Amino acid sequence: AQSVTQLDSHVSVSEGTPVLLRCNYSSSYSPSLFWYVQHPNKGLQLLLKYTSAATLVKGINGFEAEFKKSETSFHLTKPSAHMSDAAEYFCVVRYLNFGNEKLTFGTGTRLTIIP
Amino acid sequence: NAGVTQTPKFQVLKTGQSMTLQCAQDMNHEYMSWYRQDPGMGLRLIHYSVGAGITDQGEVPNGYNVSRSTTEDFPLRLLSAAPSQTSVYFCASMPGGGYEQYFGPGTRLTVT
Repeated sequence: AQSVTQLDSHVSVSEGTPVLLRCNYSSSYSPSLFWYVQHPNKGLQLLLKYTSAATLVKGINGFEAEFKKSETSFHLTKPSAHMSDAAEYFCVVRYLNFGNEKLTFGTGTRLTIIP
Repeated sequence: NAGVTQTPKFQVLKTGQSMTLQCAQDMNHEYMSWYRQDPGMGLRLIHYSVGAGITDQGEVPNGYNVSRSTTEDFPLRLLSAAPSQTSVYFCASMPGGGYEQYFGPGTRLTVT
């Protein structure tokens, strides 16, 4: 079975400091992994995706994530937090179930930026 | 392109009432899906469709029906609303063979 675990439900960082949002996955085969962001009262927007190409993936707004198979991790990072990064972030694993696409979402990490 | 649109944005129902949440996309995407979002639980798949005339159940299908008569539209029907269906509902679409799902803005449903 495929699953994702987001290790922190809430992360607070000061503006200008690094961001680390942690995600571990479980998959019986090589997965596709995503990070989505949800700003308050908005829908979800794709930040970045890993699809078995380069293990270091760059996304929008300065975010990046590294796929580490040995650690089954796909942590999201940003060198310097901005106030506009305050949002909820979801780690997602994609798998095929009898030929049909399915996504499994993590429970989310709420990122707070301290001015 | 309008992308994925959902109506209504907000809805309050009484227990036992029925209603339909509308979802439409203008990107000619084959794959459409419905999720519900509850605090601390991420998004859970209710139903999905891989093309017109084809639907299947997701993780939490009970109490919901769907149909897909056209590529553009994928309505979600609540047959007899229950308080446990109070949630935020998101519709999403994706092109066949694609990786990114495009999400609508959501419908906030309260059942009293």
